[in-house]
Amino acid sequence: DGGITQSPKYLFRKEGQNVTLSCEQNLNHDAMYWYRQDPGQGLRLIYYSQIVNDFQKGDIAEGYSVSREKKESFPLTVTSAQKNPTAFYLCASSIGGSAQGLSYEQYFGPGTRLTVT
Amino acid sequence: AQKITQTQPGMFVQEKEAVTLDCTYDTSDPSYGLFWYKQPSSGEMIFLIYQGSYDQQNATEGRYSLNFQKARKSANLVISASQLGDSAMYFCAMREVNTGGFKTIFGAGTRLFVKA
Repeated sequence: DGGITQSPKYLFRKEGQNVTLSCEQNLNHDAMYWYRQDPGQGLRLIYYSQIVNDFQKGDIAEGYSVSREKKESFPLTVTSAQKNPTAFYLCASSIGGSAQGLSYEQYFGPGTRLTVT
Repeated sequence: AQKITQTQPGMFVQEKEAVTLDCTYDTSDPSYGLFWYKQPSSGEMIFLIYQGSYDQQNATEGRYSLNFQKARKSANLVISASQLGDSAMYFCAMREVNTGGFKTIFGAGTRLFVKA
């Protein structure tokens, strides 16, 4: 089955530690995204990548880093610089984007719930 | 600045009845796309329906339809014949050409409860 996998589903870390969230897709999509969701709120874009070896900051990139070395993989590192890292993180992909591709919907993974204490 | 507003934090509907979830948006870009996603308690987001700003007709997908009123900047989701499985969070979202067509912004969501 094609889709997006995120692991682990639940992640616990001590404050001050970096943590990397995994995101893998086998949909052959060019574009990938990371979102953060806080309770009672919508999704906020952290980073996105249009193609391999390229990525752009979203609205709340501070304290996060990403890499896109392979088309299928887009890991997110939550660094110790992120002041409030506890949240639900969603990874998504789409065929592409651009002005001609406004209609491309995003496919989402099951999410990772990160708790930092 | 682009913005999505969903004014209904929670909605109740009786099973088999229709329900409308409100969404208004703000943009100065003439070319944009509007999406609705469903988020069950499992957390995964599921795409429901899409409406382009230049589409002449309202989008429909099975029991979902989008009531698009461009002049009012409104894109309400209508779910007909509600089912218990429709209980979930629903998010309205928008993507604009002038942000490169990749950045999608989401509203705060509406939680729908379907009563048996």
